[in-house]
Amino acid sequence: DTGVSQNPRHKITKRGQNVTFRCDPISEHNRLYWYRQTLGQGPEFLTYFQNEAQLEKSRLLSDRFSAERPKGSFSTLEIQRTEQGDSAMYLCASSSGQGWSYEQYFGPGTRLTVT
Amino acid sequence: QQQVKQSPQSLIVQKGGISIINCAYENTAFDYFPWYQQFPGKGPALLIAIRPDVSEKKEGRFTISFNKSAKQFSLHIMDSQPGDSATYFCAANPSSNDYKLSFGAGTTVTVRA
Repeated sequence: DTGVSQNPRHKITKRGQNVTFRCDPISEHNRLYWYRQTLGQGPEFLTYFQNEAQLEKSRLLSDRFSAERPKGSFSTLEIQRTEQGDSAMYLCASSSGQGWSYEQYFGPGTRLTVT
Repeated sequence: QQQVKQSPQSLIVQKGGISIINCAYENTAFDYFPWYQQFPGKGPALLIAIRPDVSEKKEGRFTISFNKSAKQFSLHIMDSQPGDSATYFCAANPSSNDYKLSFGAGTTVTVRA
C-alpha cells in the first residue's frame, strides 16, 4: 500500500514566478485535500475535492491559487505570481468515502521557498 | 482565529515518563478529534482519533481522553521514548463538513534519554 505522494519535495523560486505541485493520493481514495503549513503552526485547510469536483475553497486561497483534479486521481496546485508570503509547506491528504471517512492521510509535503 | 487551542507549546519529558497535551474547542458541531504526529521535514501522520460517544480511547502507549461538557480533549503518551520526540497536533471537524480539519498550533515533545 503506497501512501500519498507529492512532487516536488522542495521548490525554490523567485518572486513573480509560477509554480505547480502534484499530489498522488492513496489509490481509490475519492477525497483529496490541500493544506498549507507555516513554520510553528498547524496545517490550514485550502481546498477539497471529491472525485474531480472541487467542493470547497478556503478564503486563504487567493485568485493566484488554482487546484485541479481532472480525472479524479492526482491533483495539481498552481500558484501564479508567487510572493514571499507564499513560502510554506504545502500538504496534500486523501481519504476514502467508506467507514470513518474523516480519516485523512497526509503526504510528505512540498516545501516552497520564494526568494 | 484558531478553532482549536492547544497547550503547551512545548514540553520536555524524561524517558519512561508521561507526556500530556491538552486541546480545547468552542464549536459544538465538532464530532471527530484526531491527533497527528509530525517529524521534521515530514507530513503529519494520523496517530489516534476519537468520536465524542466515548470518553477515552487507548492504542498502545497513546490514550485520548475526551470531556464533552468541558469541550476539551487530551493526548497522553505513556512510557515516553526518545523516538516519540516530535510535534503533535490535535485537530477537529464537524460531521456536517467532514472535509475540513481545524488544527491546533502544535506541541513539540522532547524525550530525554
